Amino acid sequence: DAKTTQPPSMDCAEGRAANLPCNHSTISGNEYVYWYRQIHSQGPQYIIHGLKNNETNEMASLIITEDRKSSTLILPHATLRDTAVYYCIVRSLYNFNKFYFGSGTKLNVKP
Amino acid sequence: DTGVSQDPRHKITKRGQNVTFRCDPISEHNRLYWYRQTLGQGPEFLTYFQNEAQLEKSRLLSDRFSAERPKGSFSTLEIQRTEQGDSAMYLCASSLEYKGDQDCYTFGSGTRLTVV
Repeated sequence: DAKTTQPPSMDCAEGRAANLPCNHSTISGNEYVYWYRQIHSQGPQYIIHGLKNNETNEMASLIITEDRKSSTLILPHATLRDTAVYYCIVRSLYNFNKFYFGSGTKLNVKP
Repeated sequence: DTGVSQDPRHKITKRGQNVTFRCDPISEHNRLYWYRQTLGQGPEFLTYFQNEAQLEKSRLLSDRFSAERPKGSFSTLEIQRTEQGDSAMYLCASSLEYKGDQDCYTFGSGTRLTVV
């Protein structure tokens, strides 16, 4: 599976949009982009995933560049409860067996 | 509760002792995964089951580790002769695989192991 690169930490003001970037320059055509987050002392929680098109759900939006080499997770109105480590993962359509987690981005939402 | 349950949440053990953790997946999920997470790192894959069959094991899973899923429902992860380096959070996840398509994983809250 392709590696991803994320900034180690980000700060965001409560109520503002949090934009978390991810580079996956070696992604191949059959690989999806997944985002999970992990709040302290809990297991990772699924947020969203996509292949080529931008995606939106009740939690977040996922913007994937046209060349698919990077993506951005957008939390439109960050709250203190969104403070967590956010993992960007690419995963093959043909190998759903495991995720490779990197170190993620620690998002700190501040009042 | 319809999520993935793990027991115990915390375990402190002395070096050299054996420990066993349990995972109860979401009931209709046929795939079950074990991951390990050390402080400041993302989770690392250990092994996974399709129903009762263990289909893949990571090199991280030494001979002291064994996982079972005897009836294709709950799973246990046993660590024999624990070492301090085994201290970590052990995460279980499950998913439904059907005709090559698969839901996203759902993770449990993990078992935090401390070996003293």
